[in-house]
Amino acid sequence: NAGVMQNPRHLVRRRGQEARLRCSPMKGHSHVYWYRQLPEEGLKFMVYLQKENIIDESGMPKERFSAEFPKEGPSILRIQQVVRGDSAAYFCASSPSYSDTEAFFGQGTRLTVV
Amino acid sequence: GNSVTQMEGPVTLSEEAFLTINCTYTATGYPSLFWYVQYPGEGLQLLLKATKADDKGSNKGFEATYRKETTSFHLEKGSVQVSDSAVYFCALTTGSGGSYIPTFGRGTSLIVHP
Repeated sequence: NAGVMQNPRHLVRRRGQEARLRCSPMKGHSHVYWYRQLPEEGLKFMVYLQKENIIDESGMPKERFSAEFPKEGPSILRIQQVVRGDSAAYFCASSPSYSDTEAFFGQGTRLTVV
Repeated sequence: GNSVTQMEGPVTLSEEAFLTINCTYTATGYPSLFWYVQYPGEGLQLLLKATKADDKGSNKGFEATYRKETTSFHLEKGSVQVSDSAVYFCALTTGSGGSYIPTFGRGTSLIVHP
Protein backbone atom coordinates (compact mmCIF):
# COMPACT_ATOMS: atom_id res chain seq x y z
CA ASN A 1 0.00 0.00 0.00
CA ALA A 2 1.74 3.11 -1.21
CA GLY A 3 1.92 6.03 1.16
CA VAL A 4 0.82 9.57 0.52
CA MET A 5 2.48 10.73 -2.68
CA GLN A 6 3.30 14.36 -3.31
CA ASN A 7 4.84 15.82 -6.40
CA PRO A 8 6.92 17.54 -7.29
CA ARG A 9 9.33 17.27 -4.35
CA HIS A 10 10.92 20.57 -5.29
CA LEU A 11 9.39 23.39 -7.31
CA VAL A 12 10.98 26.66 -8.36
CA ARG A 13 8.80 29.45 -9.65
CA ARG A 14 9.46 33.07 -10.58
CA ARG A 15 7.38 35.75 -8.95
CA GLY A 16 4.01 36.05 -10.65
CA GLN A 17 3.91 32.48 -11.95
CA GLU A 18 1.51 29.77 -10.83
CA ALA A 19 2.43 26.83 -8.64
CA ARG A 20 0.50 23.55 -8.70
CA LEU A 21 1.16 21.03 -5.98
CA ARG A 22 -0.28 17.54 -6.22
CA CYS A 23 -1.16 15.02 -3.56
CA SER A 24 -2.39 11.45 -3.96
CA PRO A 25 -3.71 10.15 -0.63
CA MET A 26 -3.22 6.64 0.63
CA LYS A 27 -5.50 4.05 -0.90
CA GLY A 28 -8.83 4.05 0.86
CA HIS A 29 -8.36 7.49 2.40
CA SER A 30 -10.94 10.07 1.53
CA HIS A 31 -9.82 12.93 3.81
CA VAL A 32 -6.99 15.20 2.71
CA TYR A 33 -5.31 18.02 4.65
CA TRP A 34 -2.82 20.57 3.42
CA TYR A 35 -0.30 22.24 5.73
CA ARG A 36 2.39 24.85 5.20
CA GLN A 37 5.68 24.82 7.06
CA LEU A 38 7.90 27.87 7.10
CA PRO A 39 11.54 27.70 8.22
CA GLU A 40 11.86 27.50 12.00
CA GLU A 41 8.07 27.42 12.34
CA GLY A 42 5.52 24.72 12.95
CA LEU A 43 2.84 23.34 10.71
CA LYS A 44 0.07 25.71 9.76
CA PHE A 45 -3.22 24.15 8.72
CA MET A 46 -4.49 25.41 5.39
CA VAL A 47 -7.40 23.34 4.11
CA TYR A 48 -9.31 20.12 4.70
CA LEU A 49 -11.01 18.37 1.80
CA GLN A 50 -13.03 15.30 1.09
CA LYS A 51 -13.79 14.04 -2.40
CA GLU A 52 -15.33 16.93 -4.37
CA ASN A 53 -15.86 18.98 -1.20
CA ILE A 54 -13.95 21.61 0.72
CA ILE A 55 -14.78 20.96 4.37
CA ASP A 56 -12.68 23.63 6.07
CA GLU A 57 -10.52 26.26 4.42
CA SER A 58 -10.10 28.50 7.43
CA GLY A 59 -6.30 28.44 7.11
CA MET A 60 -6.14 29.38 3.45
CA PRO A 61 -5.18 32.91 2.46
CA LYS A 62 -8.21 34.57 0.93
CA GLU A 63 -6.48 35.45 -2.30
CA ARG A 64 -4.33 33.52 -4.79
CA PHE A 65 -4.70 30.15 -3.01
CA SER A 66 -7.17 27.44 -3.94
CA ALA A 67 -7.51 23.70 -3.43
CA GLU A 68 -9.51 20.90 -4.91
CA PHE A 69 -9.94 17.16 -4.51
CA PRO A 70 -11.81 15.88 -7.54
CA LYS A 71 -13.70 12.63 -7.80
CA GLU A 72 -10.87 11.22 -9.87
CA GLY A 73 -7.21 12.10 -9.50
CA PRO A 74 -5.06 13.79 -6.90
CA SER A 75 -5.78 16.74 -4.70
CA ILE A 76 -4.31 19.97 -6.07
CA LEU A 77 -3.13 23.01 -4.14
CA ARG A 78 -2.86 25.93 -6.51
CA ILE A 79 -1.06 29.18 -5.81
CA GLN A 80 -1.52 31.92 -8.38
CA GLN A 81 0.86 34.84 -8.90
CA VAL A 82 3.36 33.54 -6.39
CA VAL A 83 5.38 35.92 -4.23
CA ARG A 84 8.60 35.31 -2.30
CA GLY A 85 6.64 34.90 0.93
CA ASP A 86 5.01 31.77 -0.51
CA SER A 87 8.35 29.96 -0.33
CA ALA A 88 7.81 27.12 2.13
CA ALA A 89 7.37 23.39 2.43
CA TYR A 90 3.81 22.27 1.73
CA PHE A 91 2.69 18.99 3.22
CA CYS A 92 -0.31 16.90 2.41
CA ALA A 93 -1.77 14.36 4.81
CA SER A 94 -4.59 11.87 4.47
CA SER A 95 -6.74 9.83 6.82
CA PRO A 96 -9.52 7.28 6.54
CA SER A 97 -13.13 8.33 6.53
CA TYR A 98 -13.78 7.29 10.08
CA SER A 99 -12.80 8.11 13.64
CA ASP A 100 -10.00 10.29 14.89
CA THR A 101 -7.11 8.15 13.77
CA GLU A 102 -3.73 9.51 12.82
CA ALA A 103 -3.01 11.37 9.62
CA PHE A 104 -0.38 10.02 7.22
CA PHE A 105 1.95 12.55 5.65
CA GLY A 106 3.59 12.86 2.29
CA GLN A 107 7.22 13.91 1.80
CA GLY A 108 6.21 17.46 1.02
CA THR A 109 6.77 19.88 -1.82
CA ARG A 110 9.39 22.53 -1.25
CA LEU A 111 8.40 25.64 -3.14
CA THR A 112 11.00 28.28 -3.83
CA VAL A 113 9.95 31.57 -5.39
CA VAL A 114 12.76 33.49 -7.04
CA GLY B 1 -10.72 25.81 19.73
CA ASN B 2 -8.02 23.20 19.92
CA SER B 3 -4.40 24.07 20.59
CA VAL B 4 -1.12 22.36 21.42
CA THR B 5 1.80 23.93 23.26
CA GLN B 6 5.27 22.43 23.18
CA MET B 7 8.46 23.45 24.90
CA GLU B 8 10.70 25.52 22.71
CA GLY B 9 13.86 24.10 21.31
CA PRO B 10 16.40 23.31 20.40
CA VAL B 11 16.95 20.66 23.01
CA THR B 12 20.61 19.66 22.97
CA LEU B 13 21.70 16.45 24.68
CA SER B 14 24.62 14.09 24.79
CA GLU B 15 24.17 10.52 23.64
CA GLU B 16 22.55 8.26 26.27
CA ALA B 17 21.03 11.21 28.14
CA PHE B 18 17.40 11.21 29.28
CA LEU B 19 14.93 13.11 27.11
CA THR B 20 11.73 14.92 28.04
CA ILE B 21 9.80 17.14 25.64
CA ASN B 22 6.79 18.76 27.27
CA CYS B 23 3.43 19.00 25.54
CA THR B 24 0.17 20.40 26.88
CA TYR B 25 -3.11 20.84 25.08
CA THR B 26 -6.55 22.42 25.13
CA ALA B 27 -9.37 20.69 23.33
CA THR B 28 -13.11 20.27 23.20
CA GLY B 29 -14.32 16.80 23.93
CA TYR B 30 -11.93 13.89 24.30
CA PRO B 31 -8.93 14.19 22.00
CA SER B 32 -6.61 11.56 20.66
CA LEU B 33 -2.98 12.55 21.13
CA PHE B 34 0.01 11.93 18.90
CA TRP B 35 3.73 12.47 18.61
CA TYR B 36 5.19 12.80 15.13
CA VAL B 37 8.87 12.98 14.14
CA GLN B 38 10.32 14.84 11.17
CA TYR B 39 13.83 14.09 9.93
CA PRO B 40 15.62 16.71 7.80
CA GLY B 41 14.07 17.08 4.37
CA GLU B 42 11.33 14.57 5.10
CA GLY B 43 7.63 14.54 5.94
CA LEU B 44 6.18 13.76 9.33
CA GLN B 45 6.04 10.19 10.57
CA LEU B 46 3.84 8.99 13.38
CA LEU B 47 5.97 8.06 16.40
CA LEU B 48 3.31 7.05 18.92
CA LYS B 49 -0.26 7.76 19.95
CA ALA B 50 -2.77 7.45 22.79
CA THR B 51 -6.51 7.62 22.37
CA LYS B 52 -7.84 7.83 25.93
CA ALA B 53 -6.85 9.02 29.37
CA ASP B 54 -4.03 7.08 31.11
CA ASP B 55 -3.07 5.29 27.90
CA LYS B 56 0.66 5.07 27.29
CA GLY B 57 1.91 5.17 23.73
CA SER B 58 5.36 3.74 23.04
CA ASN B 59 7.64 3.10 20.08
CA LYS B 60 11.40 2.83 19.49
CA GLY B 61 12.14 3.52 23.15
CA PHE B 62 9.98 6.65 23.23
CA GLU B 63 6.88 6.81 25.37
CA ALA B 64 4.20 9.29 26.39
CA THR B 65 1.26 9.01 28.78
CA TYR B 66 -2.09 10.69 28.19
CA ARG B 67 -2.74 12.74 31.37
CA LYS B 68 -6.24 14.14 31.32
CA GLU B 69 -5.94 15.81 34.72
CA THR B 70 -2.96 17.89 33.61
CA THR B 71 -3.90 17.97 29.89
CA SER B 72 -0.40 16.80 29.04
CA PHE B 73 1.31 14.27 26.79
CA HIS B 74 5.04 14.61 27.50
CA LEU B 75 7.46 12.64 25.35
CA GLU B 76 10.25 10.73 27.10
CA LYS B 77 13.13 8.48 26.20
CA GLY B 78 15.55 6.97 28.65
CA SER B 79 18.67 7.02 26.48
CA VAL B 80 18.83 9.07 23.30
CA GLN B 81 20.98 8.30 20.28
CA VAL B 82 22.50 10.56 17.64
CA SER B 83 20.00 9.10 15.18
CA ASP B 84 17.15 10.56 17.27
CA SER B 85 18.13 14.05 16.16
CA ALA B 86 15.01 15.42 14.49
CA VAL B 87 12.05 17.72 15.05
CA TYR B 88 9.25 16.33 17.22
CA PHE B 89 5.64 17.48 16.93
CA CYS B 90 2.88 16.94 19.43
CA ALA B 91 -0.61 16.81 17.88
CA LEU B 92 -4.24 16.08 18.62
CA THR B 93 -7.52 15.34 16.91
CA THR B 94 -10.93 15.57 18.51
CA GLY B 95 -13.55 14.63 15.96
CA SER B 96 -15.55 17.50 17.36
CA GLY B 97 -18.49 18.23 15.12
CA GLY B 98 -17.26 15.65 12.65
CA SER B 99 -14.06 17.53 11.90
CA TYR B 100 -10.88 15.59 12.51
CA ILE B 101 -8.38 18.24 11.51
CA PRO B 102 -5.11 17.41 13.26
CA THR B 103 -3.78 20.31 15.32
CA PHE B 104 -0.02 20.54 15.78
CA GLY B 105 2.35 22.21 18.18
CA ARG B 106 5.22 24.30 16.82
CA GLY B 107 7.66 21.42 16.99
CA THR B 108 10.74 20.91 19.17
CA SER B 109 14.12 20.38 17.60
CA LEU B 110 16.28 17.72 19.27
CA ILE B 111 20.04 17.65 18.70
CA VAL B 112 21.97 14.71 20.10
CA HIS B 113 25.79 14.91 20.23
CA PRO B 114 28.04 11.85 20.30
